[in-house]
Amino acid sequence: DTAVSQTPKYLVTQMGNDKSIKCEQNLGHDTMYWYKQDSKKFLKIMFSYNNKELIINETVPNRFSPKSPDKAHLNLHINSLELGDSAVYFCASSQGWSDLGYTFGSGTRLTVV
Amino acid sequence: KNEVEQSPQNLTAQEGEFITINCSYSVGISALHWLQQHPGGGIVSLFMLSSGKKKHGRLIATINIQEKHSSLHITASHPRDSAVYICAVTDYGGSQGNLIFGKGTKLSVKP
Repeated sequence: DTAVSQTPKYLVTQMGNDKSIKCEQNLGHDTMYWYKQDSKKFLKIMFSYNNKELIINETVPNRFSPKSPDKAHLNLHINSLELGDSAVYFCASSQGWSDLGYTFGSGTRLTVV
Repeated sequence: KNEVEQSPQNLTAQEGEFITINCSYSVGISALHWLQQHPGGGIVSLFMLSSGKKKHGRLIATINIQEKHSSLHITASHPRDSAVYICAVTDYGGSQGNLIFGKGTKLSVKP
């Protein structure tokens, strides 16, 4: 199936830990994104990568670092997790200004305790 | 920075009703997106439009660039349409993918 897949779906971890969320797309898209959805269900862009270059970083703390080994992958690494990092994180991809818009992953619910 | 407002915040309808969700934004955009988030949490892109009108099945999206307003219509609504509908825009001159989201409209369609 053509899709954006992210793992894990759920992640529970203690404050101070370092964790990664993986994202892969097999759609051949040239741009991948990470979005954060907070407890009020509000979505906000975190990063996007186009052809392995970071083109957006929306005032995200530098504890968050996107890593893209190739065009099909954009992983999110988080250092020194804090309680406020608890949220649902969505990966997405797009092909330029494709009329099809964006394809989203199913989300990763991160809970920091 | 663009402000995206959606109305209503919550909407309850009876099966078969015609539904309209509205979205307004404050400054010029390159494109407007309608997204659907199901109770399970997954997000699906419904439409991306920069002018006029698009139709997909029972869903119709329109945009009026002059009035900075878009509507999402659902004809013959069904309980499976129950979801959160999110409007998002990309600013003129904004980096590709810099979506600015509305807070969503939670739709519940009763049988």
